[in-house]
Amino acid sequence: GAVVSQHPSRVICKSGTSVKIECRSLDFQATTMFWYRQFPKQSLMLMATSNEGSKATYEQGVEKDKFLINHASLTLSTLTVTSAHPEDSSFYICSARGRDRRPYNSPLHFGNGTRLTVT
Amino acid sequence: GEDVEQSLFLSVREGDSSVINCTYTDSSSTYLYWYKQEPGAGLQLLTYIFSNMDMKQDQRLTVLLNKKDKHLSLRIADTQTGDSAIYFCAEYDNGGYQKVTFGTGTKLQVIP
Repeated sequence: GAVVSQHPSRVICKSGTSVKIECRSLDFQATTMFWYRQFPKQSLMLMATSNEGSKATYEQGVEKDKFLINHASLTLSTLTVTSAHPEDSSFYICSARGRDRRPYNSPLHFGNGTRLTVT
Repeated sequence: GEDVEQSLFLSVREGDSSVINCTYTDSSSTYLYWYKQEPGAGLQLLTYIFSNMDMKQDQRLTVLLNKKDKHLSLRIADTQTGDSAIYFCAEYDNGGYQKVTFGTGTKLQVIP
């Protein structure tokens, strides 16, 4: 089945530094990738949607200058948390959709998530 | 916007059936999904139902959809300890960016 690889799985960084998270589709071309943030004991909050080769569309309340998303190829999207602060500590999950947009197949293939801790 | 609600917690004994409920507000939802999340992991698709269906069964899983009441349920028969996880229902928006809206998640605890 379709596989999405997300790295790193866990990262600890100091306040003020930037962190890059990678999301790769391993066996399909991801025309659309989604980035979610999950707070403890809460649901997933969609942060942004990115289509290959175009700028990401951010959800209301998400700072585009803080959470930089790049979707330069059909197999790779990156999320960079710039000037990270402790309140950015969270679980970030990417998901990807391939060219087959029929939603009765899995609409999204998920990465395993990245646990970010900012000290 | 769309809103998807679930109860936060469910505890059942091993071997019993579990029923996880979900309500949603978007009447134009075309597909509704159930995802499973184990600790520290991403989401795994369990099953889905199309909006013109009332029921779907897949091995131990049964999904019931009441479109009039916008109510979705997931029944897990013969619940096992390996079923302990957080379960998210999600509705699919067929327009716009075709994004998926997730419910608040139900933590299922299976007691041996």
